[in-house]
Amino acid sequence: DTEVTQTPKHLVMGMTNKKSLKCEQHMGHRAMYWYKQKAKKPPELMFVYSYEKLSINESVPSRFSPECPNSSLLNLHLHALQPEDSALYLCASSQGLTSGRLTVAKNIQYFGAGTRLSVL
Amino acid sequence: SQQGEEDPQALSIQEGENATMNCSYKTSINNLQWYRQNSGRGLVHLILIRSNEREKHSGRLRVTLDTSKKSSSLLITASRAADTASYFCATAPNAGGTSYGKLTFGQGTILTVHP
Repeated sequence: DTEVTQTPKHLVMGMTNKKSLKCEQHMGHRAMYWYKQKAKKPPELMFVYSYEKLSINESVPSRFSPECPNSSLLNLHLHALQPEDSALYLCASSQGLTSGRLTVAKNIQYFGAGTRLSVL
Repeated sequence: SQQGEEDPQALSIQEGENATMNCSYKTSINNLQWYRQNSGRGLVHLILIRSNEREKHSGRLRVTLDTSKKSSSLLITASRAADTASYFCATAPNAGGTSYGKLTFGQGTILTVHP
């Protein structure tokens, strides 16, 4: 099973709402990622979790709050978003975070289909 | 910040033709990967080339890497309509610490293959 599942597929929310995006993988991967992607642009890294601990936060505004309850689940809690936060949010996972020659394949990331978020 | 630049930004070809996309990057890398993204969907990993490799093949894909020029190319041979997608290069840094696992994506090439 090489699948990363993201829910919901689409989400429309107002600027005062609180919502959560969910991501799940059962590949035994120990690194999980959140990306934001605007139309016709590359994915931009937001957060990286390694062994359920936050490893990288790319200076993301606090209205985005990640959570990794266990090694298979990754959530992104949304609060007081702005219209410019409308985008495709992608979750990814990889075996681990290493850079040794023998383990470089662990850098390969498996992506979910994304959540299309619209903030009104 | 996105360090990869890809060219062309868009490429339109006929089925059966070859498609070549180029990627340039700025910093020292551990490996370079290519991903495909169908419209509005997630990315799919295609191929990975290590910094000490110069060429790699996988089916109809051929990737080259020139670390002296900090550039890579992806060649898709005998293209099919199903190859229509956006293609992104992504670099994994050679630095230590918290950079591990961080992929930086290029701007992407939109490939359209006409039947």
